[in-house]
Amino acid sequence: EVQLLESGGGLVQPGGSLRLSCAASGFSFASYAMSWVRQAPGKGLEWVSAISGSGGSAYYAGSVRGRFTISRDNSKNTLYLQMNSLRAEDTAVYYCTKDADYTGTHGGVFDIWGQGTVVTVSS
Amino acid sequence: QSALTQPASVSGSPGQSITISCTGTSSDVGGSNYVSWYQQHPGKAPKFLFSHVTNRPSGVSNRFSGSKSGNTASLTISGLQAEDEADYYCSSYTTSDTVVFGGGTKLTVL
Repeated sequence: EVQLLESGGGLVQPGGSLRLSCAASGFSFASYAMSWVRQAPGKGLEWVSAISGSGGSAYYAGSVRGRFTISRDNSKNTLYLQMNSLRAEDTAVYYCTKDADYTGTHGGVFDIWGQGTVVTVSS
Repeated sequence: QSALTQPASVSGSPGQSITISCTGTSSDVGGSNYVSWYQQHPGKAPKFLFSHVTNRPSGVSNRFSGSKSGNTASLTISGLQAEDEADYYCSSYTTSDTVVFGGGTKLTVL
């Protein structure tokens, strides 16, 4: 069964840092691009960042560029999101997603979603 | 990058068909083959319905279908059922290698 399991969320003060992890199973992890998508309380979905299957290319939304860093360890089938300089507006459920394209390139079609991890930025 | 435009809400009776539109620009919907639709029930993670270039995943009903013309994509749900009541989101890959979502549409089954 294809599965994504996020962890690492929690309460952090403004200006603080947090690292999210996503453990993948049930598919050839290195063959697929992965993304993080977030959803603020009561709001819609917002794409945050993507990384190619090899890890050689990374992409960011303007709202997080320079503050967040996406990475992956294909030997551990794990995706990461390092979040620095956190702001109140980063408060959201963060979903790990798998791209549908098996070539490993980022195409923005998310066929598998994790259950999400909650990040709250507040003093 | 501005969000794609979706109606905030739509409604229909069981058995009817509804259509949800998703309007963008030539930099996203109009210029992309990668327009996708997702369903989200309250308190749950979004679920992939289909994209305009991939097959519908197994387990997704063929009552869900889509089309695209110019800068507007559409999701049609035929034979509405109570379990279709949910939020629906479109998304598009953009010419800047980013992804933009629509604001979401709440479907109410009357």
